[in-house]
Amino acid sequence: DAKTTQPPSMDCAEGRAANLPCNHSTISGNEYVYWYRQIHSQGPQYIIHGLKNNETNEMASLIITEDRKSSTLILPHATLRDTVVYYCIVTRPYPKKGGGTSYGKLTFGQGTILTVHP
Amino acid sequence: DARVTQTPRDKVTEMGQEVTMRCQPILGHNTVFWYRQTMMQGLELLAYFRNRAPLDDSGMPKDRFSAEMPDATLATLKIQPSEPRDSAVYFCASAPDGVYEQYFGPGTRLTVT
Repeated sequence: DAKTTQPPSMDCAEGRAANLPCNHSTISGNEYVYWYRQIHSQGPQYIIHGLKNNETNEMASLIITEDRKSSTLILPHATLRDTVVYYCIVTRPYPKKGGGTSYGKLTFGQGTILTVHP
Repeated sequence: DARVTQTPRDKVTEMGQEVTMRCQPILGHNTVFWYRQTMMQGLELLAYFRNRAPLDDSGMPKDRFSAEMPDATLATLKIQPSEPRDSAVYFCASAPDGVYEQYFGPGTRLTVT
């Protein structure tokens, strides 16, 4: 699975958009980009994932560059509760569509600690 | 609101003792993962099962760790004998077939003295 690089920490003002970058320059064609978040002392929580196209759900938006070598997680209106660790992960799809045993494993890096300021 | 449950939530034991951690995946989820989190190593995948069969346990120290799924509602992670370096938070996660997100439990905080 491709390796990801994230800044160790970022700051954001409450109510503003938080843009969390992730570099994955060695990503291969069938690898997805996942984002998880982890509140201290709790299990990670899935946020969003994507392959090529930009994705949006009720939690966030994911912007993937055309060459797929980097992506940005966007929290449109950051709140104080968003002050947690965010992980960007690249892995093969799980499970493999059409059958087979290509299961994607989540390899967590150190993540980005986002601090939202009042 | 279906959730992954893990027991015990906290465990303190002495070096050399056997430790068993349990996980109840979300009903209907056929894939179960075990992770370990420490300050030094971060979150590491230890093993995972699909339809109760082990698919990959390459992240797990084989000499002292074992993971099983006796039935679809229970996954266990056992350490025998435990060592201080096993002190960590152990997370279980489950996922249904065809879905990309994993649902994590609250974790078991293990302290080996």
